[in-house]
Amino acid sequence: DAKTTQPNSMESNEEEPVHLPCNHSTISGTDYIHWYRQLPSQGPEYVIHGLTSNVNNRMASLAIAEDRKSSTLILHRATLRDAAVYYCILRDRGDGNEKLTFGTGTRLTIIP
Amino acid sequence: DTGVSQDPRHKITKRGQNVTFRCDPISEHNRLYWYRQTLGQGPEFLTYFQNEAQLEKSRLLSNRFSAERPKGSFSTLEIQRTEQGDSAMYLCASSFWGELFFGEGSRLTVL
Repeated sequence: DAKTTQPNSMESNEEEPVHLPCNHSTISGTDYIHWYRQLPSQGPEYVIHGLTSNVNNRMASLAIAEDRKSSTLILHRATLRDAAVYYCILRDRGDGNEKLTFGTGTRLTIIP
Repeated sequence: DTGVSQDPRHKITKRGQNVTFRCDPISEHNRLYWYRQTLGQGPEFLTYFQNEAQLEKSRLLSNRFSAERPKGSFSTLEIQRTEQGDSAMYLCASSFWGELFFGEGSRLTVL
């Protein structure tokens, strides 16, 4: 699986936007970029995914660089409930391999 | 609640004992996954079922580990002759197509 690189940790103030970066320089043409997050004492939960175009949903936005070698997860207005570990994962849907390969993610701390 | 359910949530056992975890996926989800997570690490893939067929097994899944999904619905993960290194959170996830839905996990402590 292609690998991703994320900062180990980030901090942000409550009610401010948060930009979580992810580098994936070896991404292939059929790799989708997925983001999951894991709140304390819970299993991971899906946040968003995209292929080439920027994506928005009720939880977040995903900005994908034109060369697809990096992406940024944007939380528009962080709350204390957004404190979690955020995982950026590449998932190749072209070969039928359904599993997700997690790295260590970015631990996001929200400061009240 | 119709999410992924795992049982038990916590299990403490002595080294050498066998343990079994159960996962009930979201109904109609044909894909089921098992992951293991240790402190400070991301979840590690163990195995994957599509319906009742086990399609992929990680090298992490030693011969002491066995997983089944007999009727394509619930799944069990059994660990025989547990070792202290087996202490971890065991996560189950299911999907139909696309995003994975995870349960809250079963935490195993081997004394």
